[in-house]
Amino acid sequence: QQQVKQSPQSLIVQKGGISIINCAYENTAFDYFPWYQQFPGKGPALLIAIRPDVSEKKEGRFTISFNKSAKQFSLHIMDSQPGDSATYFCAASCMETGNQFYFGTGTSLTVIP
Amino acid sequence: NAGVTQTPKFRVLKTGQSMTLLCAQDMNHEYMYWYRQDPGMGLRLIHYSVGEGTTAKGEVPDGYNVSRLKKQNFLLGLESAAPSQTSVYFCASSWVGNTEAFFGQGTRLTVV
Repeated sequence: QQQVKQSPQSLIVQKGGISIINCAYENTAFDYFPWYQQFPGKGPALLIAIRPDVSEKKEGRFTISFNKSAKQFSLHIMDSQPGDSATYFCAASCMETGNQFYFGTGTSLTVIP
Repeated sequence: NAGVTQTPKFRVLKTGQSMTLLCAQDMNHEYMYWYRQDPGMGLRLIHYSVGEGTTAKGEVPDGYNVSRLKKQNFLLGLESAAPSQTSVYFCASSWVGNTEAFFGQGTRLTVV
């Protein structure tokens, strides 16, 4: 059973536009929700993360929106740039599951100049 | 500061051969993880360790073994490689659970 479901699988956005990637989770015990960015041939790197005590977290052009009641969280990339073209993974973890990270299946983002 | 280093970066194995992937971290992290990444399936946890001398199974542990004899090293072994184990393997480490995980550059393994 997929613990974290991510959509869309791929996304094409014009430069300057807003990119939105959504994730939904099942386990209400999850208490850490990171987003990772991965460039081709590289390992994933943490982009931004949120804990369920807040509904939104913003770091520069990147914002996580968190809806605890709906068990959903999303990544918004404002003013998308060609350099943002990468694969994005959401994830979730909690102590109850041994602090394992459960990852979504990834979204391939392409920002067209 | 190297971070997380994986060895080797590429490997081709024949079915039935064995090999060990080495992960080394220099950040004094307690937690270490091995993931495999397959197209359309994201990252799936194979095994992890919450400290020196400890290991635990993840989502997809079958066909793999691990050891954490030293805090800075986490080894992933394939005793008898199968084509289904063709994948990109990533090692990661974190200070404790539920915090930022730092990933290595990956090992691309092909089993023919």
